[in-house]
Amino acid sequence: AQSVTQLDSQVPVFEEAPVELRCNYSSSVSVYLFWYVQYPNQGLQLLLKYLSGSTLVKGINGFEAEFNKSQTSFHLRKPSVHISDTAEYFCAVMREAAGNKLTFGGGTRVLVKP
Amino acid sequence: GAVVSQHPSRVICKSGTSVKIECRSLDFQATTMFWYRQFPKQSLMLMATSNEGSKATYEQGVEKDKFLINHASLTLSTLTVTSAHPEDSSFYICSARTLTEAFFGQGTRLTVV
Repeated sequence: AQSVTQLDSQVPVFEEAPVELRCNYSSSVSVYLFWYVQYPNQGLQLLLKYLSGSTLVKGINGFEAEFNKSQTSFHLRKPSVHISDTAEYFCAVMREAAGNKLTFGGGTRVLVKP
Repeated sequence: GAVVSQHPSRVICKSGTSVKIECRSLDFQATTMFWYRQFPKQSLMLMATSNEGSKATYEQGVEKDKFLINHASLTLSTLTVTSAHPEDSSFYICSARTLTEAFFGQGTRLTVV
């Protein structure tokens, strides 16, 4: 079985400050890793994904994440946030053997303050 | 990127009635689609996997007779909430996959009164 843990349920941050959202997963096999953003009453939008290769992944809107296999982590970072980054962020894991099902973390709510 | 369209975005229905939600993959064929339910301030919970041309696979605890799923074509899956109750009120999201990426619909906010 696999699980995804987002250690912070809420992260308040001031505008133009950096932010890091933590994600740890457990799996005995190779996985694909994703970060999604959800704005109120909307579906999920892909920020970035790790499939293979370079462990530092750059995504949209200035976000990046680093895959750390030894720590089974995939933390999301942005060096300078905007008010518009206020949203819910989900880390997710896909394991091919599981029929391409996505397992989601509990989500982290980012609130950017002016 | 690929687009998944979900309709309606919001629906209000009376208790005891049925509601159908559509999920379409607009620019790719999806042999498999997934239906999720999301409660306020919570993560997405997988309800079922919709397979084109065959029966859906439901997750444990999800009533298949209450949440009817039909995947009649490679671009359309529907979720019908039958005999809706207020506790069925929730945000429902569909997803279609390629081998390495999932695309999500905009979600449907269902309110049962």
